[in-house]
Amino acid sequence: EDKVVQSPLSLVVHEGDTVTLNCSYEVTNFRSLLWYKQEKKAPTFLFMLTSSGIEKKSGRLSSILDKKELFSILNITATQTGDSAVYLCAVEAGGSYIPTFGRGTSLIVHP
Amino acid sequence: DGGITQSPKYLFRKEGQNVTLSCEQNLNHDAMYWYRQDPGQGLRLIYYSQIVNDFQKGDIAEGYSVSREKKESFPLTVTSAQKNPTAFYLCASSIGLVIYNEQFFGPGTRLTVL
Repeated sequence: EDKVVQSPLSLVVHEGDTVTLNCSYEVTNFRSLLWYKQEKKAPTFLFMLTSSGIEKKSGRLSSILDKKELFSILNITATQTGDSAVYLCAVEAGGSYIPTFGRGTSLIVHP
Repeated sequence: DGGITQSPKYLFRKEGQNVTLSCEQNLNHDAMYWYRQDPGQGLRLIYYSQIVNDFQKGDIAEGYSVSREKKESFPLTVTSAQKNPTAFYLCASSIGLVIYNEQFFGPGTRLTVL
């Protein structure tokens, strides 16, 4: 059975801090890892990672995948209150094209 | 504007009643999905559909039913057989069940059983 584990489950920081969210996985025939941000309702797509060592960046957010150690990290620098959300990691693998989701990391950024 | 809509946003149901959640998309996507999200939990797959008139059970299909009569629409019925239906329900769509499958999500329906 495919497993996707996110850590920490929750995180409270102050504006300006840098955070690192982790996603590890145990799957058969890995294809891609996806990060989503969920701010109260609909998750919105952030990154899709398929190759090890290639960093994806979007503003203050960046993510990288390590296929040897089976994990990905999502970095957020200079956090703002608008970064407060649940960050979901999902892995696409095996014979199914439907991603398996982790439990998410709840990030709260205080002013 | 292309996107996915879900209705209603909030739904209250008495025990023993069936209730239907609406999901519509105008993205011309073939695949549609229903997920359930409980506090502190990830998204768990209820049902998915690759194409009109076809759908498959996900990990937690018991107590739920779906239909896919039109490409744009994928309603979910929560039946009285679902023992613990109070949850946040998310509908999603994607181009198809293809590699690198980015999903687009609706705003969700919060169902509360009284």
